[in-house]
Amino acid sequence: NAGVTQTPKFQVLKTGQSMTLQCAQDMNHNSMYWYRQDPGMGLRLIYYSASEGTTDKGEVPNGYNVSRLNKREFSLRLESAAPSQTSVYFCASSWEGTNTGELFFGEGSRLTVL
Amino acid sequence: KQEVTQIPAALSVPEGENLVLNCSFTDSAIYNLQWFRQDPGKGLTSLLLIQSSQREQTSGRLNASLDKSSGRSTLYIAASQPGDSATYLCAVADGGATNKLIFGTGTLLAVQP
Repeated sequence: NAGVTQTPKFQVLKTGQSMTLQCAQDMNHNSMYWYRQDPGMGLRLIYYSASEGTTDKGEVPNGYNVSRLNKREFSLRLESAAPSQTSVYFCASSWEGTNTGELFFGEGSRLTVL
Repeated sequence: KQEVTQIPAALSVPEGENLVLNCSFTDSAIYNLQWFRQDPGKGLTSLLLIQSSQREQTSGRLNASLDKSSGRSTLYIAASQPGDSATYLCAVADGGATNKLIFGTGTLLAVQP
């Protein structure tokens, strides 16, 4: 079972470059999320999508944009990368309709901005 | 603003010991609480989910309890094994249907053989 798949797994960017992190889930989940994980700060929510066609800001949205392309896919874009965006990015999904709320995570995308 | 704290930040125990990991949160109006495991360089794996109306959940050697009134949850691991070594994170849902999670910074557990 694939679950939540993120690409790329590793990326090095120079300051000012742009890139898109891709995420896809095959569990027919309604909700999808992007988190970043930094040492000593835990995971923080960047953006989320409660359902196809909707997106909302999380705790740390500045410098990012998202697209919920369809029910399966949720991408995160860095328009002009900054060193402060060096982090590990996790995509997650959940099935809201069953009221379980369990979150399933991808393996992470490790981004370094020089 | 909801804040989640996990103490201790790191814990080392000999194999076979029973142990308790602690999680506290500042706002008792939560939708649910989840415990996750994270291995080095990997994503998070959900271990247990406790709904706000529940007091505990069990899965194998793991038991998680929830006391909303005091803002606390514990994860009990029985008969610990070296394979249990990982970082354990708790997270609370903020009470909305979107199931946004607020995470603690985790407890790094090392089980010594």
